[in-house]
Amino acid sequence: DIQMTQSPSSLSASVGDRVTITCQANQDITNYLNWYQQKPGQAPKFLIYAASNLETGVPSRFSGSGSGAHFTLTISSLQPEDIGTYYCQQYDNLPYTFGQGTKLELK
Amino acid sequence: QVQLQQWGAGLLKPSEPLSLTCAVYNGSFNNYYWSWIRQPPGKGLEWIGEINHRGSPNYNPSFKSRVTLLVDTSKKQVSLKLRFVTAADTAVYYCAKGGAHDPFEVWGQGTVVTVSS
Repeated sequence: DIQMTQSPSSLSASVGDRVTITCQANQDITNYLNWYQQKPGQAPKFLIYAASNLETGVPSRFSGSGSGAHFTLTISSLQPEDIGTYYCQQYDNLPYTFGQGTKLELK
Repeated sequence: QVQLQQWGAGLLKPSEPLSLTCAVYNGSFNNYYWSWIRQPPGKGLEWIGEINHRGSPNYNPSFKSRVTLLVDTSKKQVSLKLRFVTAADTAVYYCAKGGAHDPFEVWGQGTVVTVSS
């Protein structure tokens, strides 16, 4: 299985901050990488596909980048509604695997 | 906009089978894969398997000996069956539209399954 490692595991930031979450695969996955946001008690919400393509309706303050084995999710200006846990997911090989999550909290 | 509604037994005893069903509303059922994903309490997400409208499944090897995914195209439903559950199978189980290299773009509401004697 492809292992996905996110860092940091948790992050505290203030409204307006620029936030960056990284996701590292243990092998080259080209750009076969998606990002999800999960709020407490809710199902995950799909944000970004193929490393850098924003899903329709997702605010433009979210962006993704990377290729190969190293990827980042950036929130350019943190808003209170962005609080939650973020997961990366690879779809290069079966089984699809997720990172362990990054919990984003307000400072 | 596609919506997924899922249901099934929420409390099981060890060794009993888990059975969940997910219905697809307001959208096309064919030409997509449908996946099951679970999340143990306080933990991350684990992909269980996927199936398309032709009934062709792919399973996570971690579950392969215990899991069966089925599809009923007439009802636009997919189902998950997991045999011989243990406490380690306690989790929120989600169905999702996606798989076969498509993102999990729509999720069901989740079903809490607890395995306890």
